[in-house]
Amino acid sequence: NAGVTQTPKFQVLKTGQSMTLQCAQDMNHEYMSWYRQDPGMGLRLIHYSVGAGITDQGEVPNGYNVSRSTTEDFPLRLLSAAPSQTSVYFCASSYFPTSRHTEAFFGQGTRLTVV
Amino acid sequence: AQSVTQLDSQVPVFEEAPVELRCNYSSSVSVYLFWYVQYPNQGLQLLLKYLSGSTLVKGINGFEAEFNKSQTSFHLRKPSVHISDTAEYFCAVSAPGNDMRFGAGTRLTVKP
Repeated sequence: NAGVTQTPKFQVLKTGQSMTLQCAQDMNHEYMSWYRQDPGMGLRLIHYSVGAGITDQGEVPNGYNVSRSTTEDFPLRLLSAAPSQTSVYFCASSYFPTSRHTEAFFGQGTRLTVV
Repeated sequence: AQSVTQLDSQVPVFEEAPVELRCNYSSSVSVYLFWYVQYPNQGLQLLLKYLSGSTLVKGINGFEAEFNKSQTSFHLRKPSVHISDTAEYFCAVSAPGNDMRFGAGTRLTVKP
């Protein structure tokens, strides 16, 4: 099973460039999210989606956009990259019924460097 | 909103020794609690979870955790660690209708 697939695995950007990190899941999960991981800070939620057409902001949304046109895909867009966005980015998905939260499945991560 | 504090950023331990990784949470509602493990250059993998019921939860690779509501803790334990347990461990909390929040992580280093 593919699970959650992120592309690319590595990326170097120049300050001011834009790019899209791709995330796809094949488990028919309603809930998808993007986190960034920085040393000593754990994972911080950037944006999340509870279903196609519905997105919302997490803890650190500034500088990022998302959309959810299908259940399977949840791309993260960096509008104008800044060195502060150098990080490892993880996409996750899970079932998200209103009454309970189940295990989140993570992609392998995208290591982004902004120079 | 919920939050998580992992009390130790690094835990060095010798092989075959017991280990405890500490996690405290705060929430005004009932919570679900998770421990994830991250091996170098990989994504996060679920070790165990507490949703309801028995407060002692057993997970993969011989790990277990105990939910203590009065102390708002969810500490992770293993009676005898192996070199292969060297990794970063994350405690996470969520609640019905809420997203998942992670602690800062604890780096476990098992020495021979």
